Amino acid sequence: DAGVIQSPRHEVTEMGQEVTLRCKPISGHNSLFWYRQTMMRGLELLIYFNNNVPIDDSGMPEDRFSAKMPNASFSTLKIQPSEPRDSAVYFCASSTDGQGSTEAFFGQGTRLTVV
Amino acid sequence: GQSLEQPSEVTAVEGAIVQINCTYQTSGFYGLSWYQQHDGGAPTFLSYNALDGLEETGRFSSFLSRSDSYGYLLLQELQMKDSASYFCAVRDRKGSYIPTFGRGTSLIVHP
Repeated sequence: DAGVIQSPRHEVTEMGQEVTLRCKPISGHNSLFWYRQTMMRGLELLIYFNNNVPIDDSGMPEDRFSAKMPNASFSTLKIQPSEPRDSAVYFCASSTDGQGSTEAFFGQGTRLTVV
Repeated sequence: GQSLEQPSEVTAVEGAIVQINCTYQTSGFYGLSWYQQHDGGAPTFLSYNALDGLEETGRFSSFLSRSDSYGYLLLQELQMKDSASYFCAVRDRKGSYIPTFGRGTSLIVHP
C-alpha cells in the first residue's frame, strides 16, 4: 500500500481565498483524522471520521473550516476564507477501528502558507 | 480535557542512552503511544503501552506506570539519525484509537 496520500504537499494562497486539502487514507482503514501542526500549538486534532461519518469535530477552530468524507477513500479539509493564522502543516492520518487498533498512519502533510 | 507534559528539548551524544519522560492528565486513559517525527516529515509510530511495564523494540523501549500517569521512551545506542522530535500521545477513549498528542521533545544527538 502507498500509505496515506495527501495533496498538495505545499500550498501558498492569499488571505481570503478558499483552500482545499485532500487525503486518501490507507485502503481498509475506517478511521480518518485531520491534524494541524504549528510551533505554538503543537499537533492538534481537528476532526475524526469513522466509517466516513464525522464523529468529533470539536477541534475545528472556526466555521471557516469544514471537512467531508464522501467515501472510504477520500476526504477533504476546506478553509474558506483563509487567514494568515491558518498557516500550518496539516496532516491526515488513518487507522483501523476498534480496541485492537494501536497505531495511526500519517500522510506527508500539506504545508499551507496564507499571505 | 487532556494535558500532556514533555521536556521541550533533550541533547545527548552518539552511543549514549536518553530517556524522554511524559506525564499526562486525562479524563479517561486506555494507552500511551510514542511517535517520531523528523524535520519536514510525518509522525511515525514507535510504540504503544496499554499496561504497566516496559515494552522493548530494538534500541527503543517504552515504559508506562498508570498509577503515576507517567511514561517514558528510552533510546539506547543513540545514532545521529535519531535526532528528531518525539511525541507522546494518549488514548483517552474506549474503542477507537484516537491519539491526543503532547507538544513533543526535540532530541539533538551530537557526534
